[in-house]
Amino acid sequence: AQSVTQPDIHITVSEGASLELRCNYSYGATPYLFWYVQSPGQGLQLLLKYFSGDTLVQGIKGFEAEFKRSQSSFNLRKPSVHWSDAAEYFCAVGSNYGGATNKLIFGTGTLLAVQP
Amino acid sequence: EADIYQTPRYLVIGTGKKITLECSQTMGHDKMYWYQQDPGMELHLIHYSYGVNSTEKGDLSSESTVSRIRTEHFPLTLESARPSHTSQYLCASSGPTWKDTGELFFGEGSRLTVL
Repeated sequence: AQSVTQPDIHITVSEGASLELRCNYSYGATPYLFWYVQSPGQGLQLLLKYFSGDTLVQGIKGFEAEFKRSQSSFNLRKPSVHWSDAAEYFCAVGSNYGGATNKLIFGTGTLLAVQP
Repeated sequence: EADIYQTPRYLVIGTGKKITLECSQTMGHDKMYWYQQDPGMELHLIHYSYGVNSTEKGDLSSESTVSRIRTEHFPLTLESARPSHTSQYLCASSGPTWKDTGELFFGEGSRLTVL
C-alpha cells in the first residue's frame, strides 16, 4: 500500500537559515510526488511536483526538492528561510489509476516555525 | 489564486443537527474531492467525483454524503451531526489529465465543531 512518512512533526529554524523537510514514501511503481504548503487558516497550495525527468525540481517561493529513488525520499529544501515561510508542509504521493480519478496520499505534515 | 470556495468557514452546532458544507469552484474542473483533516494527522480522502452525477467514497469511511448535480458545486451533508464529526473539511478540485490531477486546488476549509 502507498504511504508517506514525514518524520518531523515540528521544526524551528532561524530566519535566514537553510531548511530541509524530510519525506519518505512507499510505493511499488514510479511515484508522483508533491509538496503542499498550508498557511494558518488557509487551504493547501502546491509548492512543487515530480513526475519524471530531472530529479531536482524547482517550485514556487524559492523551494526545491530532490527525488532519490534509492532512498525513497523526496526532501524539500530552501537555502534561506523567511518569516513568511512559517506554515505546515505536506508531502504527498499519487498514483495513476489509468487516467480516471487519481488520488493523493498525504503525510501527516511538518509544522515549520521561524524564529527572528 | 485558486477559485474554489467553501462555506461556512466555521460552524459550531449541536448533536443531531443536519449540516451541509458548501463547495464551489469556477475553474470548470470535472474532478472534485473532500478531505478530512485532523491535527497531527494526514489528510484523508472521504469523497470524490469524476463529474456530474458521479460520486465515490474515498479511503476513509465517513458518515457524510455528497452530491454532484452541477459541475461547479460539490456539497457535503451530515444528516445527524455527532461530536466525532468534529474536524476540518477541505474541498479540492483538479483538471482533466493526470498531470493536472496531481495539482489539487484547495478551498480554505470548513471547520466543524459538534457539541
